[in-house]
Amino acid sequence: GAGVSQSPSNKVTEKGKDVELRCDPISGHTALYWYRQSLGQGLEFLIYFQGNSAPDKSGLPSDRFSAERTGGSVSTLTIQRTQQEDSAVYLCASSPDWRGEKLFFGSGTQLSVL
Amino acid sequence: GQNIDQPTEMTATEGAIVQINCTYQTSGFNGLFWYQQHAGEAPTFLSYNVLDGLEEKGRFSSFLSRSKGYSYLLLKELQMKDSASYLCAVRTSGTYKYIFGTGTRLKVLA
Repeated sequence: GAGVSQSPSNKVTEKGKDVELRCDPISGHTALYWYRQSLGQGLEFLIYFQGNSAPDKSGLPSDRFSAERTGGSVSTLTIQRTQQEDSAVYLCASSPDWRGEKLFFGSGTQLSVL
Repeated sequence: GQNIDQPTEMTATEGAIVQINCTYQTSGFNGLFWYQQHAGEAPTFLSYNVLDGLEEKGRFSSFLSRSKGYSYLLLKELQMKDSASYLCAVRTSGTYKYIFGTGTRLKVLA
C-alpha cells in the first residue's frame, strides 16, 4: 500500500477482554516497530521486527502483551485481559530495513479500556 | 539505562527562530532523529544526523555532537503550522531500536 495501515482506528473494550491490533506496513519494508503513546506522553517502545523475527521484545510491558509477524508483512499486537492502564494510542511504524533513515508511521489505534 | 531529555514546552512568535535541545544517554548510538507530531496525528520524519555537525533542510536544521550526547533542532521563519510536538529519538546500536524522548510542545503565536 501507499502508507502504513493500522486497524481498527479506534477500539473500545471492557476490562478483562482480549484485543488484537493490526499493522500493515509499506510493501517491501522489512523492519516493523510497535510503540505506545499515552495522552501527552512520548512514544514508548514495545517491540521491533526484522522480517518475521523480533530481535528486541524488551519493551513489552507484561506477559499479557504479545506480537507476531507473518510473511514478513502484516503484524498483530495482542493484549490479553486488558487493564485500564493499557488505554493509549498504539502506533506502528515501518522502515525499508534496520539501516533505514526514517520510520514511516501509521495513524495508530486509539485503545480505550473501560 | 536509556535516557533522552528535551524541554516539555516552548513558545515562540511567528517569523522568529526557535532552538529545541535534546540530550541523550543511550547504550550505543546509531543515529539521532527528529520527528514532528501534530495533535492527533502520527509522527512524521524531519531530520537525521549520524555524524557530528549541522544538517540543513529548508527552514529546519539539526545539529549533533556525539561526544556531548547533544542535539538541537533549529526552526527558522516560524509559521503557525509549526505548532506541534517535536520528538527527539536515538537509534541504538545492536538491536537498532528507536528510543524517543517525551517531546517538546511548541506553540507559535501570531
